Amino acid sequence: DGGITQSPKYLFRKEGQNVTLSCEQNLNHDAMYWYRQDPGQGLRLIYYSQIVNDFQKGDIAEGYSVSREKKESFPLTVTSAQKNPTAFYLCASSISMQGNSPLHFGNGTRLTVT
Amino acid sequence: QQPVQSPQAVILREGEDAVINCSSSKALYSVHWYRQKHGEAPVFLMILLKGGEQKGHEKISASFNEKKQQSSLYLTASQLSYSGTYFCGTGPDTEMTTDSWGKLQFGAGTQVVVTP
Repeated sequence: DGGITQSPKYLFRKEGQNVTLSCEQNLNHDAMYWYRQDPGQGLRLIYYSQIVNDFQKGDIAEGYSVSREKKESFPLTVTSAQKNPTAFYLCASSISMQGNSPLHFGNGTRLTVT
Repeated sequence: QQPVQSPQAVILREGEDAVINCSSSKALYSVHWYRQKHGEAPVFLMILLKGGEQKGHEKISASFNEKKQQSSLYLTASQLSYSGTYFCGTGPDTEMTTDSWGKLQFGAGTQVVVTP
């Protein structure tokens, strides 16, 4: 079955360490996204990528970095510069970035930094 | 800018109806609706586009009022499986660049609890 796989489900890190969250899709989608979800808030866009080797900052990109070397993969690195990294992170993909393309989400990674 | 969803939460008995509203301060091209169960991924319900028709998914339907810049989600004859948090995501009706269409702004969500 096609879908989006995020790993790990839970991740614990010490403050000051960089951490990379994995996102893989086998839907053959061109566009991929990273969202952050905090309690009581909507999904906020961190980074997005329309095609391989291209990505753009979203609304809250500071302290994060991404790469898109393969169509299927869009890893997110949470750097030590991110001031409040503890959150639920969701990866998503869509056929394209046109407004009529639904987003398909992974099951998320819950990151806790202490 | 994030759209505003109302109400924040609603509790229903099985079989009752509810309406969730999503309002934007900007002109909209598209409105997406998703449902998320606790600890799971949001699941796509439907998309409404400017100039398009009202959509439906089982007994869940939605409307899009372009002039009022808002969308409403209707839960009819609610079932236990309808419980979850409902999010709207809005796409701006700005210059027709492909990347602006896909950059959805999500509301804070409406928590729906359906009880037996």
